[in-house]
Amino acid sequence: GAGVSQTPSNKVTEKGKYVELRCDPISGHTALYWYRQSLGQGPEFLIYFQGTGAADDSGLPNDRFFAVRPEGSVSTLKIQRTERGDSAVYLCASSLTGVFPTDTQYFGPGTRLTVL
Amino acid sequence: AQSVTQPDIHITVSEGASLELRCNYSYGATPYLFWYVQSPGQGLQLLLKYFSGDTLVQGIKGFEAEFKRSQSSFNLRKPSVHWSDAAEYFCAGYGSGNTGKLIFGQGTTLQVKP
Repeated sequence: GAGVSQTPSNKVTEKGKYVELRCDPISGHTALYWYRQSLGQGPEFLIYFQGTGAADDSGLPNDRFFAVRPEGSVSTLKIQRTERGDSAVYLCASSLTGVFPTDTQYFGPGTRLTVL
Repeated sequence: AQSVTQPDIHITVSEGASLELRCNYSYGATPYLFWYVQSPGQGLQLLLKYFSGDTLVQGIKGFEAEFKRSQSSFNLRKPSVHWSDAAEYFCAGYGSGNTGKLIFGQGTTLQVKP
């Protein structure tokens, strides 16, 4: 079946611009996660959705970052006033139930964001 | 605080040789540990996971990992490496809060020599 998809695969923007990154989870998965992976580093947690609500947004670095999941399926990560330090690969993952700890997270290929 | 450390940033092995990738964790309670593999342009793929029970865990693609509480380690092993195993490998564990937040190590890049 189809896995987690993310669009666009690459995004180049200028400092100060607004960007949106989209994640389509595996059909039927109720839990959705966003991670950020900087060059040479492991992924870092940003936010976790259970259904439509953000159950844990402790990883969002500041108020320029915001994510939504209005219908409990597709999610959009929004970054305002982008900075060069936001350049990274943004990964999305989904899992069937979000039940800790047995649920498995399935990752998408990521969106590479470059801020010039 | 929970943390996951991968001491080796880069490892090179010859094709057919055995492989061991190291992972150390720091957790207060029972850790839930994972190994993921990331190939260029691909998403992270789960190789195996440890929750409880048998400390030797079998995964996909011929990988296994052994949980050693006394050493706070969860090392990944493969008896014979194939060229297609060249990739980046991440060890991960759950963070606090029971929300499925994964804490990843820095990753180990595996290069396979012909």
